[in-house]
Amino acid sequence: SQKIEQNSEALNIQEGKTATLTCNYTNYSPAYLQWYRQDPGRGPVFLLLIRENEKEKRKERLKVTFDTTLKQSLFHITASQPADSATYLCALPASGGSYIPTFGRGTSLIVHP
Amino acid sequence: GAGVSQSPSNKVTEKGKDVELRCDPISGHTALYWYRQSLGQGLEFLIYFQGNSAPDKSGLPSDRFSAERTGGSVSTLTIQRTQQEDSAVYLCASSFTNSPNQPQHFGDGTRLSIL
Repeated sequence: SQKIEQNSEALNIQEGKTATLTCNYTNYSPAYLQWYRQDPGRGPVFLLLIRENEKEKRKERLKVTFDTTLKQSLFHITASQPADSATYLCALPASGGSYIPTFGRGTSLIVHP
Repeated sequence: GAGVSQSPSNKVTEKGKDVELRCDPISGHTALYWYRQSLGQGLEFLIYFQGNSAPDKSGLPSDRFSAERTGGSVSTLTIQRTQQEDSAVYLCASSFTNSPNQPQHFGDGTRLSIL
């Protein structure tokens, strides 16, 4: 069955470093992948979408890559700041042409000053 | 302006009671989704509405759960005879269309606690 895996362990990094989060998936060939940010007590907020024919996408300090051979997306935050601390979720469209996305459990990022 | 609005933000109730959770989507958004998020868990899909089409109820965990969307706008999720395992954050999201690459806009959820 379709599965999305994100590292359940929190990622702790020092301010100014680049944070890299991973989203792996199996038994699936998505046409696109989305990344969301979720702060405690808040709903997820959309950040970026990358399509299968795009290897890389950037938005300010954010960069997302999508490797359909490895079935993996990497989410990078450069020059990280304590305000970047949050949980980051990846989402893929469900299989079979469904309009309902499936979300990973998310990875918590903690940026230390 | 507005974003997606959910009410109440918190709800505490006794086991066996019925609860109603409300979602006001962004004006003009035709697609509306309900999810459930338990502590440390991912988003669990519950139900999806698109325009005037019949909703996709495939994620509802039991027949105690139901939802309506009136006039293509406001939606209400109802849980009857609540159980302790229903305790979770219930999130609503809307998107402009049901195109699968449309971003979802989430409310901040209703935190439901069943005593």
